[in-house]
Amino acid sequence: AQSVTQPDIHITVSEGASLELRCNYSYGATPYLFWYVQSPGQGLQLLLKYFSGDTLVQGIKGFEAEFKRSQSSFNLRKPSVHWSDAAEYFCAVAPYNNNDMRFGAGTRLTVKP
Amino acid sequence: EAGVAQSPRYKIIEKRQSVAFWCNPISGHATLYWYQQILGQGPKLLIQFQNNGVVDDSQLPKDRFSAERLKGVDSTLKIQPAKLEDSAVYLCASSLGLKDYEQYFGPGTRLTVT
Repeated sequence: AQSVTQPDIHITVSEGASLELRCNYSYGATPYLFWYVQSPGQGLQLLLKYFSGDTLVQGIKGFEAEFKRSQSSFNLRKPSVHWSDAAEYFCAVAPYNNNDMRFGAGTRLTVKP
Repeated sequence: EAGVAQSPRYKIIEKRQSVAFWCNPISGHATLYWYQQILGQGPKLLIQFQNNGVVDDSQLPKDRFSAERLKGVDSTLKIQPAKLEDSAVYLCASSLGLKDYEQYFGPGTRLTVT
């Protein structure tokens, strides 16, 4: 069955510290991969996406993600977290031949001063 | 460029009542999506339109939910009658087309069913 797993429901990091949010997927073939961010009361905003090619992709707001086929993972990273990064982060996948997107349950990020 | 607009932002109704949500996508976007986001979960696709035609409604509970996009622009999602488990945020999103994977989301409508 197709699934997206975000193992961490809630993560707390100190401002200025590095961040890694985990995402694992189970699909018949390598899907297209996405990370979205949702601030309170806001819609989802696309941070970055992976279709093919270089497995390290750069996104907006200083985020990057690395696709690892052998681990079926697409983890999101940021070297130095800012207080404004506090939000809910969603990993999503879509098959290569249609945009039926499936989302993980999300990871809530809290940033300590 | 104006984003995806949704109204109302909040709605509280009693179970068995009906409710409707409205969405206006980004101008020129042919594909429109409605998602349901239950608290603590990721968004789940309910229905997808390409212009005024339905592409995928396999996860729409058709006994109580309906949606339309008559002129291929704005869309309405209706629930009748509502159940307690329909309490969620209803998100509308749009994209340029079916092959365009970048979806733009509206702020959502938070529905509470009491």
